[in-house]
Amino acid sequence: SQQGEEDPQALSIQEGENATMNCSYKTSINNLQWYRQNSGRGLVHLILIRSNEREKHSGRLRVTLDTSKKSSSLLITASRAADTASYFCATGNFGNEKLTFGTGTRLTIIP
Amino acid sequence: GAGVSQTPSNKVTEKGKYVELRCDPISGHTALYWYRQSLGQGPEFLIYFQGTGAADDSGLPNDRFFAVRPEGSVSTLKIQRTERGDSAVYLCASSLAGLTDNEQFFGPGTRLTVL
Repeated sequence: SQQGEEDPQALSIQEGENATMNCSYKTSINNLQWYRQNSGRGLVHLILIRSNEREKHSGRLRVTLDTSKKSSSLLITASRAADTASYFCATGNFGNEKLTFGTGTRLTIIP
Repeated sequence: GAGVSQTPSNKVTEKGKYVELRCDPISGHTALYWYRQSLGQGPEFLIYFQGTGAADDSGLPNDRFFAVRPEGSVSTLKIQRTERGDSAVYLCASSLAGLTDNEQFFGPGTRLTVL
């Protein structure tokens, strides 16, 4: 079963603009991770935020986590054509090593 | 260094046949995971190994699915009497110690098509 839902399902923006994707989840979590997937294969880990953290940065990525609302957002600044991909949030729980993925956001960067 | 590899990259089979999908994790990673991804969906957990043993197989959909990791490294996902609904991309991932905040490294996946 899918834990989270990403919003929007699809997003198209001009190169150079910022892209924001949101993720909502249902149960208590230990951490939340964001992954990128190109062409329906090869998931690449982007960033992990723990349940006691509220914001985290990595390069052009900024992730926020609001555990009271059970939601997270991923911001990609100064988007590039190479950022075109599907983005998934995934939650990890204490004592449970599996990741539970959301449904994904398909991001298209228009050159 | 080498990442997670999966073979074959594509597999086409007929309904009712048996298939094996192989995963080579990153050397030294004790935890290994199998996920299945249907078109337009996120990956769904199937099974998790810590070393040679299956620590959590709660995601296996039914008893046609079975996975092994006999030496704590390479893993094989086995599907008996395949059905058209089994068509999906099967993803393997590994991580250093199986802790919940350890990054999982994914392979490129095997695309299974059941005709």
